[in-house]
Amino acid sequence: SYVLTQPPSVSVAPGKTARITCGGNNIGSKSVHWYQLRPGQAPVLVVYDDRDRPSGIPERFSGSSSGNTATLTISRVEAGDEADYYCQVWDTSDHWVFGGGTKLTVL
Amino acid sequence: EVQLVESGGGLVHPGGSLRLSCAASGFTFSDYWMHWVRQAPGKGLVWVSRMNIDAFTTTYADSVKGRFTISRDNTKNTLYLQMDSLRAEDTAIYYCAREERDSDYFDYWGQGTLVTVSS
Repeated sequence: SYVLTQPPSVSVAPGKTARITCGGNNIGSKSVHWYQLRPGQAPVLVVYDDRDRPSGIPERFSGSSSGNTATLTISRVEAGDEADYYCQVWDTSDHWVFGGGTKLTVL
Repeated sequence: EVQLVESGGGLVHPGGSLRLSCAASGFTFSDYWMHWVRQAPGKGLVWVSRMNIDAFTTTYADSVKGRFTISRDNTKNTLYLQMDSLRAEDTAIYYCAREERDSDYFDYWGQGTLVTVSS
């Protein structure tokens, strides 16, 4: 089965740029999606199809994907961005696969 | 406004059964594939099951295949998850999620319902 690998944690100071990676075999050939999960709240889609943003998601959130790595970039990080972030792809085994999640800490 | 509201979670003994429901509103339920995704305590998101709009075609994660059954009632705008032969490792928050049409991502999620399997 397809495996997605994320760093357990990323820390960034307010106003700086956070980059969260998602590694997978030839992930650049797949569509990668990203979700934000805060405790006690419903997950929120923040980037879909590698780089597109749903309506209501700030432009500070962007995505890219190439080769074996996809990246979620959060510019001008705010305290409210502190959350867990998950990447996700659809696998040809007809399963939906999530990465292990990355905890973003705003220092 | 799209809303997904899960219910039916609770405490159950190992080997027991539970049926989760997800009430949908704010969109044409019968037009969308629907999914269940879970998160065990301190762990990440894990996809559980998918049901197509036809209410017949289903897919399951290997960890729940043969024990869980997904279903939907398009007349009641409700998604279900029948969970049998429950194990301690099934303890998790269970979310229902809508898959955007012609895509493979989840554009709306519910708040989740907690299932605890313990003796």
